[in-house]
Amino acid sequence: DGGITQSPKYLFRKEGQNVTLSCEQNLNHDAMYWYRQDPGQGLRLIYYSQIVNDFQKGDIAEGYSVSREKKESFPLTVTSAQKNPTAFYLCASRQTLTAIIYGYTFGSGTRLTVV
Amino acid sequence: EDQVTQSPEALRLQEGESSSLNCSYTVSGLRGLFWYRQDPGKGPEFLFTLYSAGEEKEKERLKATLTKKESFLHITAPKPEDSATYLCAVQPLMNYGGSQGNLIFGKGTKLSVKP
Repeated sequence: DGGITQSPKYLFRKEGQNVTLSCEQNLNHDAMYWYRQDPGQGLRLIYYSQIVNDFQKGDIAEGYSVSREKKESFPLTVTSAQKNPTAFYLCASRQTLTAIIYGYTFGSGTRLTVV
Repeated sequence: EDQVTQSPEALRLQEGESSSLNCSYTVSGLRGLFWYRQDPGKGPEFLFTLYSAGEEKEKERLKATLTKKESFLHITAPKPEDSATYLCAVQPLMNYGGSQGNLIFGKGTKLSVKP
């Protein structure tokens, strides 16, 4: 079955450490997205990528970095510059190069906690 | 500025007590409106897409409707398993600032259904 896979499900980060969250999709979707979800704040866009080897900053990109070397993969690195990284992170993908407007398909999320 | 507002923020129902969730939007033009269900600790799951005013979609106890300014998610005779956060998102005709077709999300309505 096609889908979008995030790993790990839980991740613990020490102060000053960089960590990378994995996101892989086998839906052949062109666009991929990273969101951060905090209680009461809804979904906030971190980075997005419309095509391979290209990505754009979202609303809260500071302290995060991404790469899009393959269509299937869009990893997110939370750097030590992100001062409040504890949150639930969601990856999503979407087919965009069509006349029909589709919604996003989401992964199951990664919960990151600073220890 | 494009905006999506969901109300109420939280809704408590007794099992069998029908009600509606509201999603009002202010966008330059609407290409599509999407409803998602999110369970705690999981990624949002797609429910419905609506494209034009007057359109309706149904799935089990859920019915989504769309007008030119808002969408309603009607829940008929809810059961405890319907408890979740329901998210609404819109795809505007135009995205400003280079966001190139990203969905705009509301903050969600947290529904609790008591037996």
